[in-house]
Amino acid sequence: DTAVSQTPKYLVTQMGNDKSIKCEQNLGHDTMYWYKQDSKKFLKIMFSYNNKELIINETVPNRFSPKSPDKAHLNLHINSLELGDSAVYFCASSRMTGAAENSPLHFGNGTRLTVT
Amino acid sequence: DQQVKQNSPSLSVQEGRISILNCDYTNSMFDYFLWYKKYPAEGPTFLISISSIKDKNEDGRFTVFLNKSAKHLSLHIVPSQPGDSAVYFCAMGNNDMRFGAGTRLTVKP
Repeated sequence: DTAVSQTPKYLVTQMGNDKSIKCEQNLGHDTMYWYKQDSKKFLKIMFSYNNKELIINETVPNRFSPKSPDKAHLNLHINSLELGDSAVYFCASSRMTGAAENSPLHFGNGTRLTVT
Repeated sequence: DQQVKQNSPSLSVQEGRISILNCDYTNSMFDYFLWYKKYPAEGPTFLISISSIKDKNEDGRFTVFLNKSAKHLSLHIVPSQPGDSAVYFCAMGNNDMRFGAGTRLTVKP
């Protein structure tokens, strides 16, 4: 009974293609996130949504567009994929927006995107 | 994120001994500090946290220490067990979390 599930686990595609990664959480959390783990292993926040509304949008190319149909889902669509987009993308959720001692992030297992 | 540094990419410890994982940061405005543990092919899982008003928090074998003057966070695991072998990320922030690059801990039987 996975709390935060994201699909697919692996995604291999060619430059210029458009792809989507789906994420769902069954924890009843209000806030969902997308993080990118780059080649140096840093986890960097990309987007944060609270109850379907965009809260945080870090410096991410416009080719990345998050979509939240409801507060349990946050999908990530990427247009015109580039080699540099290759990374592991993690979806996460938390009970409330903003860091808090009792509201840690719950992560999915990641999607490894490889752009060739 | 360069605001958060884990200077040791790896650490090897004998089973039963203490593991000490370290994290340094530059932003004195961070309110909350957390440690996450990550196994291969899985997402990070929350381990323990501390707020900026405290300097120590303990949960079983895990203790987190916060030294605000030195801008230093550490995680102590004692006694270490082989199942603790994983990558440990420190994270901290206010409205969003900034993560270190992780330290790979190996606990040898």
